[in-house]
Amino acid sequence: AQSVSQHNHHVILSEAASLELGCNYSYGGTVNLFWYVQYPGQHLQLLLKYFSGDPLVKGIKGFEAEFIKSKFSFNLRKPSVQWSDTAEYFCAWGYQKVTFGTGTKLQVIP
Amino acid sequence: DTGVSQNPRHKITKRGQNVTFRCDPISEHNRLYWYRQTLGQGPEFLTYFQNEAQLEKSRLLSDRFSAERPKGSFSTLEIQRTEQGDSAMYLCASSYNLRTGPTGELFFGEGSRLTVL
Repeated sequence: AQSVSQHNHHVILSEAASLELGCNYSYGGTVNLFWYVQYPGQHLQLLLKYFSGDPLVKGIKGFEAEFIKSKFSFNLRKPSVQWSDTAEYFCAWGYQKVTFGTGTKLQVIP
Repeated sequence: DTGVSQNPRHKITKRGQNVTFRCDPISEHNRLYWYRQTLGQGPEFLTYFQNEAQLEKSRLLSDRFSAERPKGSFSTLEIQRTEQGDSAMYLCASSYNLRTGPTGELFFGEGSRLTVL
């Protein structure tokens, strides 16, 4: 079945460390890719999305992701994390509907 | 607050009872989605509407689940004869989409947490 997979279930980083969260999708056709974030006690919200064009997309709060078609990957990156980035991050893909990965919990230690 | 609104926020029920959740999307959004999320998992797609038309329903959804969006505005999700395995967070999201275009940003509500005893 078409899906997305997230390799890291729980990541712990110190503030100022660099972040990269892996995401791979299985669909080989036209694909729209997303990263959503859920901060503690809040609802899911969009971080960034890729539909077409420049494979390096920038989102809110200094996050970016790179679409690498040959690797079926859409990894999320941030050069320097902050304590406020502690949250759960979901990779997602879809066209008419959106399918989510299992999520990665990021804990940033001050 | 003009975001997506869901109620009730929490529902505790006994096995075998029926429950209904309501979702009020952002007013100008024509597309509405229902997802289910359990601990340690990402949101699992249940169904979605374009205006009042239900365009897709997950094969994982048993016939005990039914969703409606009668006037293309709010939506209800009903679970009949609840089972303990139905315990989860039920999420609603809305977006604006051209019928043939890709889905844009989903705006999620806070969710309705169901506990079946």
